[in-house]
This record gives sequence, C-alpha cells and structure tokens, in this order.
Amino acid sequence: AQSVTQLDSQVPVFEEAPVELRCNYSSSVSVYLFWYVQYPNQGLQLLLKYLSGSTLVESINGFEAEFNKSQTSFHLRKPSVHISDTAEYFCAVTPPIKAAGNKLTFGGGTRVLVKP
Amino acid sequence: DSGVTQTPKHLITATGQRVTLRCSPRSGDLSVYWYQQSLDQGLQFLIQYYNGEERAKGNILERFSAQQFPDLHSELNLSSLELGDSALYFCASSARTGGNGELFFGEGSRLTVL
Repeated sequence: AQSVTQLDSQVPVFEEAPVELRCNYSSSVSVYLFWYVQYPNQGLQLLLKYLSGSTLVESINGFEAEFNKSQTSFHLRKPSVHISDTAEYFCAVTPPIKAAGNKLTFGGGTRVLVKP
Repeated sequence: DSGVTQTPKHLITATGQRVTLRCSPRSGDLSVYWYQQSLDQGLQFLIQYYNGEERAKGNILERFSAQQFPDLHSELNLSSLELGDSALYFCASSARTGGNGELFFGEGSRLTVL
C-alpha cells in the first residue's frame, strides 16, 4: 500500500514570490508520482508527473518538481507565483501501471493563496 | 475540458434518501474511478471499474454501490443518506492500456444532505 503526506495544509504567499509545496510518500514498491491542481469550483487537473528518467520535471506554467528517492519526496516549486495560481494542490502516487489502470493515492492537499 | 462528464453538478437531498450520480468517461477509456472529497477526509478512493467489472475497492460504505454499463458509463448509488455523506464526488477515467497512470477527472457532483 502507498501513502502520501503533504506537510502543509495551507501556504499563503505574495504575488511574484517563490513557493514550495512539500510531498513525502511511503511505498514498498516503486511508484509513479503526480501533482494535480484543483482551481476553485473545478475538478482536478494534472500539473506534472514523474514516471522515470530525469528526476526534475516541469509543467508548462512554470512549476517544477524533483523526485528524491532517498528522501521519498516529490516537492513542487515555482520561482514566482501569480494570482491565478491560487488553488489547491494534490500530490499523488500510483504503483507500476497495470493494464487495467491503477487508482491514485492522494495526499491531503495544500491550499495556496496568492496575495497581491 | 477533461472529456469526463458528470451529472448532476449539484444535488440537495434529505437524510435517508437515495441518489444516483452518473459519469461518462473519456471516449475510449475503459476504466472508471470514483472518489469522494470532503473537508475532513480529503480525497478518498471509493471504487474502480474496468470494462464493466469491479477492479478495485477502497473506502466505500456498504450503503454505496456502483456499476459500469456496457456503454462504459458508470453510476454511483448512495442510499440511506446521512449528513456526513455531504461531499464532492469525482469520477475519473484512464486510458485503455492504463496509460502512464494519469487519471482524467470530471468536475464533480456536489452532494448536500440536509
């Protein structure tokens, strides 16, 4: 079984400041890692994912996350946030893919509030 | 737009009642997942169906049931509703071969039990 811990439930940050959202996971097998974002009154959208290869992955809107196997972490960062980044961010894991697909195990979420 | 459609978007009902939530997965996706999102429990996996068959079960109450039909749409039935069942219920689907693990989520059905 897998579990995911997001250490911060809320992160207030000023516009144009950097932000880091912490995610640690626990698993007895290798996992794929994801960050999803949920904007107010919307569903979850994939932000970025780590499957294999380079441990640093980037999204199209300036977020990046680094997979650290020894620390079992997958922290999300953005060097300069915008008001539009106000949302809830979820870290998720899944074990190696089965043909029928796998459920994602989510962390508790981190609510980011960007202030002007 | 993820391609996953959920209806209704909002539902208000009373304790003891029964409701049905509907989900249409992305075209071609065989797997459907149901999640419950509440303030105290976060995002909890309920159940997964693959091509009409139950594939995995999570923290789904016995009062809840689901099924996936031959046209691949899925329904989540919630009965004997309690106040604590008030939550946002998400449906998600994944690619035919499991893809790269990514799930595509609908916009959710918000259930309020009064």
